[in-house]
Amino acid sequence: NAGVTQTPKFRVLKTGQSMTLLCAQDMNHEYMYWYRQDPGMGLRLIHYSVGEGTTAKGEVPDGYNVSRLKKQNFLLGLESAAPSQTSVYFCASSARYGYTFGSGTRLTVV
Amino acid sequence: AQSVTQPDIHITVSEGASLELRCNYSYGATPYLFWYVQSPGQGLQLLLKYFSGDTLVQGIKGFEAEFKRSQSSFNLRKPSVHWSDAAEYFCAVGPNTNAGKSTFGDGTTLTVKP
Repeated sequence: NAGVTQTPKFRVLKTGQSMTLLCAQDMNHEYMYWYRQDPGMGLRLIHYSVGEGTTAKGEVPDGYNVSRLKKQNFLLGLESAAPSQTSVYFCASSARYGYTFGSGTRLTVV
Repeated sequence: AQSVTQPDIHITVSEGASLELRCNYSYGATPYLFWYVQSPGQGLQLLLKYFSGDTLVQGIKGFEAEFKRSQSSFNLRKPSVHWSDAAEYFCAVGPNTNAGKSTFGDGTTLTVKP
């Protein structure tokens, strides 16, 4: 009963490096989301997907790209990391009403 | 546009005391409302949800919430708080018409005094 699994849990990047965060869900949910959480700023939606092969921009998409080649996976990419992208990243999935969240990825860009 | 306001950034209660966390929403139609809890270092967990019907909904961990349409509120309550309830609580409203997205409040941090 895994739910939503995020990898890695922690990562430190140097400015300009690239990386991919992986989110996997085993609930056959159509919708998937990537959020970032920063102190005092709540949850902000980066990108989301309404189904396999689809992606759309959220509130703060700049500097990020996503892909959903398989229904169960939603990847978040940082092509050239910046210190402003230091944050905790959460993936969530939904059948429509109510989210199931992963446990997060804590990313530090130095 | 949908929005959520949690007026209290931080609340402190004594263990065993009752708790009420406030949530006000703005939504153009009948809202779907949610409360989530986030323990330190963890993701958010769904506590309860309201879709329709009985305006008092029960959730996990002994929490309940009451939907009041006239006040645009969905306050979270617990009769007796335990030290393990210390966490951050998020109210959310949704979905909007696109992709089932929810809008989250900024959260209320609960501290429990022994």
